[in-house]
Amino acid sequence: GAVVSQHPSRVICKSGTSVKIECRSLDFQATTMFWYRQFPKQSLMLMATSNEGSKATYEQGVEKDKFLINHASLTLSTLTVTSAHPEDSSFYICSASGAPESEQYFGPGTRLTVT
Amino acid sequence: EDQVTQSPEALRLQEGESSSLNCSYTVSGLRGLFWYRQDPGKGPEFLFTLYSAGEEKEKERLKATLTKKESFLHITAPKPEDSATYLCAVQASATGFQKLVFGTGTRLLVSP
Repeated sequence: GAVVSQHPSRVICKSGTSVKIECRSLDFQATTMFWYRQFPKQSLMLMATSNEGSKATYEQGVEKDKFLINHASLTLSTLTVTSAHPEDSSFYICSASGAPESEQYFGPGTRLTVT
Repeated sequence: EDQVTQSPEALRLQEGESSSLNCSYTVSGLRGLFWYRQDPGKGPEFLFTLYSAGEEKEKERLKATLTKKESFLHITAPKPEDSATYLCAVQASATGFQKLVFGTGTRLLVSP
């Protein structure tokens, strides 16, 4: 149990375009979903936390107008990188939690390359 | 500010050579300490949650322990398939509900 999927696994887009990444909890209802980014050989940095039906809470330094997060249902959250630039190239990982104080289960990640 | 420091940064072991990974933390009220395994190009895989000092948890060749300042991940008789990056994260009362603060990980390589 506790499976989280992400789509796509890899995406290449041109500078200035937008790209959407989906995160789904497959076998449980996720009251809270999290979005992280990870640079090579570095740890996961939390970008934002989203609760179903509520606006996402962004970490300090993360532009909410650039990284749009929607958590429309208990099994789906999306991250849209708007007007992407090469510096947005990174590994984006989502996680989901089914209850307060429970473990976060992570998706397989999405490798974004902006050319 | 909540901080998590993992050591060593990288560790090379021979198959069967037991060792320990360290995770030191400073947090304003520990809610929980988590260990994850991450393979290259993949998302982290949950291993353990520890909540209070003195707690221990085991899973196959892995055993996690917790004190008030640090956690250890003991690997007994490792196999090549245990090669991965092991991440430690803390959940603190003061940093917001459910937020995890991660260390930079220990890259483990087990040679046959």
